[in-house]
Amino acid sequence: SQELEQSPQSLIVQEGKNLTINCTSSKTLYGLYWYKQKYGEGLIFLMMLQKGGEEKSHEKITAKLDEKKQQSSLHITASQPSHAGIYLCGADYNAGNMLTFGGGTRLMVKP
Amino acid sequence: KAGVTQTPRYLIKTRGQQVTLSCSPISGHRSVSWYQQTPGQGLQFLFEYFSETQRNKGNFPGRFSGRQFSNSRSEMNVSTLELGDSALYLCASSSRTGSGGEQYFGPGTRLTVT
Repeated sequence: SQELEQSPQSLIVQEGKNLTINCTSSKTLYGLYWYKQKYGEGLIFLMMLQKGGEEKSHEKITAKLDEKKQQSSLHITASQPSHAGIYLCGADYNAGNMLTFGGGTRLMVKP
Repeated sequence: KAGVTQTPRYLIKTRGQQVTLSCSPISGHRSVSWYQQTPGQGLQFLFEYFSETQRNKGNFPGRFSGRQFSNSRSEMNVSTLELGDSALYLCASSSRTGSGGEQYFGPGTRLTVT
């Protein structure tokens, strides 16, 4: 969706390296979701960030929402092969369950 | 707690036919949303049902329809299938009634139209 831009589109990192994926919205966000998807499978819920700016962490993944910039970042520390997959951000623009998704970031982690 | 389940997982249909996909939400979740994922268009919202009522609808033709039952299970139907309907169809459930809440997705149904 042009309303929600993800970058980069793809990323190849060496195991152990840190990485950041960005998600920028052209509209005001009510909430922002991060999901991980293995090819052809369902989405695995990672984190949800609410408007007002928020930061959450789970294991080696940290996500932040910058309300001023309407931008979210997903940071992975010390990447592992198990982190490989497609990362998708989903925007909630109306406090409902209708999400608008970005194009995704394909992450490969080289052992 | 069991996750979101979708049946069938794979389906092959011919142009012009119709198809029904099923989604069982997480126990206690009353909202079910449907999404279509294709390589060209990405992940797009189809519609959402809450307490047996369609609450939101995406920009898809009327060939795409859905319903929700009193036990919150949902079905979506696509009539007069076209080649472009080939996609991964995902459903998500949420306990959210207004604001906040998390959406959990099922494994999807891979529909191939020949």
